[in-house]
Amino acid sequence: EPEVTQTPSHQVTQMGQEVILRCVPISNHLYFYWYRQILGQKVEFLVSFYNNEISEKSEIFDDQFSVERPDGSNFTLKIRSTKLEDSAMYFCASGSAGTQNTEAFFGQGTRLTVV
Amino acid sequence: DAKTTQPPSMDCAEGRAANLPCNHSTISGNEYVYWYRQIHSQGPQYIIHGLKNNETNEMASLIITEDRKSSTLILPHATLRDTAVYYCIVRWYTGTASKLTFGTGTRLQVML
Repeated sequence: EPEVTQTPSHQVTQMGQEVILRCVPISNHLYFYWYRQILGQKVEFLVSFYNNEISEKSEIFDDQFSVERPDGSNFTLKIRSTKLEDSAMYFCASGSAGTQNTEAFFGQGTRLTVV
Repeated sequence: DAKTTQPPSMDCAEGRAANLPCNHSTISGNEYVYWYRQIHSQGPQYIIHGLKNNETNEMASLIITEDRKSSTLILPHATLRDTAVYYCIVRWYTGTASKLTFGTGTRLQVML
């Protein structure tokens, strides 16, 4: 069964460093998302991406964050200068287009720890 | 997106049906009801979604009331592996895939 894969599974970085989280969405999907979950809190939407541009973003997704689809398979989230409060699980998701098949499928996440 | 209300926790005996309720009284005509679950800290897992008709798949059944103000997710024979947080999400469908807004969900504990 096709799945969304994320790498690395765990990333430790020093405060102020740049980090790139990588995702390989399901191959025929057209919509891509990043969500995050701070330990013990809700899953929060960060950004959605379609047709090579951001279609929606939340207040969390400020200038420190960026997303890119550098080739036909990868979808990345970059945090330019990490802060302690960026420590969280980051989930990538992808979805297909169509009248019914609009569910989003999630990867297993990258645990980001900022020290 | 319309707001949803779910009980914070529920218990279910293994082998029995788990019925998870959700209220979404402000749902509008083009909003779907989605159910996801999250096992421990894994990525949310899609279960099922529907608009107004009842739906069934290999994982679960979704019963939506006629007025669409509430729904019930039914796991027909719960197992220990179904222990998870279950999220009921109302999602506006535009023909493109909009975001999912997660609440706090229902923590289902399946017991021996």
